[in-house]
Amino acid sequence: AQSVTQLGSHVSVSEGALVLLRCNYSSSVPPYLFWYVQYPNQGLQLLLKYTSAATLVKGINGFEAEFKKSETSFHLTKPSAHMSDAAEYFCAVSRPAAGNKLTFGGGTRVLVKP
Amino acid sequence: EAQVTQNPRYLITVTGKKLTVTCSQNMNHEYMSWYRQDPGLGLRQIYYSMNVEVTDKGDVPEGYKVSRKEKRNFPLILESPSPNQTSLYFCASKFRDRDTGELFFGEGSRLTVL
Repeated sequence: AQSVTQLGSHVSVSEGALVLLRCNYSSSVPPYLFWYVQYPNQGLQLLLKYTSAATLVKGINGFEAEFKKSETSFHLTKPSAHMSDAAEYFCAVSRPAAGNKLTFGGGTRVLVKP
Repeated sequence: EAQVTQNPRYLITVTGKKLTVTCSQNMNHEYMSWYRQDPGLGLRQIYYSMNVEVTDKGDVPEGYKVSRKEKRNFPLILESPSPNQTSLYFCASKFRDRDTGELFFGEGSRLTVL
């Protein structure tokens, strides 16, 4: 079985500071990994995904994530937070052998302080 | 515009009163799925459908029914709602089951069962 753990249900950052959201997964085989963002009162949108190509993945809005197999991690970063980054972020994992069904982490809510 | 449309967006009902949440997508996607979102638990899959007349249980199917009579529509039915089904529900779709592409989400339906 696969699972996803997001460390920290809430993160507070100052505008202009680094955003770092942590995601660790457990899977017996290399999975596909995703980050989704949910803005208030909206559905989820794909930020970026890793599907076994380059381990450093760039997404929309200046976010990027690095797949580290040795650490079973897929942390999301953005060098400089903007007020518009306030949202909830979900890490998700899927495995090709399991029909690419997505399993989501518990989510991390980001608050950006002026 | 490509989208997944859910209705109603907000609903308050009472225990035992049958209700249906509709979901429609205009992208000709084969795969559709329902999730519920609860604080700290992320999104959990209720049911999914790989194509017309093909549906299967997700991780938390108890108390729910679905049908897929047309490609574009995937309604979620609560035959006898209970308070533990109070949640935020999302419908999502993608091109096909094993596709690693983006899962498109509706804007969510917030359900309260009294």
